[in-house]
Amino acid sequence: AQTVTQSQPEMSVQEAETVTLSCTYDTSENNYYLFWYKQPPSRQMILVIRQEAYKQQNATENRFSVNFQKAAKSFSLKISDSQLGDTAMYFCAFMKHVDSRLTFGEGTQLTVNP
Amino acid sequence: NAGVTQTPKFRILKIGQSMTLQCTQDMNHNYMYWYRQDPGMGLKLIYYSVGAGITDKGEVPNGYNVSRSTTEDFPLRLELAAPSQTSVYFCASSYRSGVRNQETQYFGPGTRLLVL
Repeated sequence: AQTVTQSQPEMSVQEAETVTLSCTYDTSENNYYLFWYKQPPSRQMILVIRQEAYKQQNATENRFSVNFQKAAKSFSLKISDSQLGDTAMYFCAFMKHVDSRLTFGEGTQLTVNP
Repeated sequence: NAGVTQTPKFRILKIGQSMTLQCTQDMNHNYMYWYRQDPGMGLKLIYYSVGAGITDKGEVPNGYNVSRSTTEDFPLRLELAAPSQTSVYFCASSYRSGVRNQETQYFGPGTRLLVL
């Protein structure tokens, strides 16, 4: 079974600064997907970024980028130029390529301070 | 497109009561899922479906039942509600085929359930 670990229950950052959220996972699979989802106070789950394990290039989406280290089974999220609207719970999630089921970490609560 | 819709948004149940959480998607996705999120925790898969008429258990299926009679709808049934089922329930959908996969799951807004 796959496990996803987010070791930082809470983090805070000043507006306009950069913050990195950590995620590690455990799997014996070689082909898989990794995701970061954002959950603001509204509770809506919003996809932030996704990474396919066979791609060596790190995914980027505007101010969001990942550092994917396959050998280390690490998948961190970097948020640049943090904005107040980035305040949310962030979940790291894993999906095997042959299976559509998501395994989530326990989340990191990020607070962006003005 | 409305995406994934869920009803109700909030419900209070008494212990032993039953209810059905509704989920509908209008994106013609073949895969649908039910997750629960306990306070301060990540989401855990309850049941999922790979198409109409096909369902399978996830990580925490006990106390729940599902059916998938159409592509669009995937209701979750709670029988004999217990306090341990107090949670927020999310429905999600995705498209998967042998030729083209869209691995991203799209989530509904959630249903908050309180069992007293």
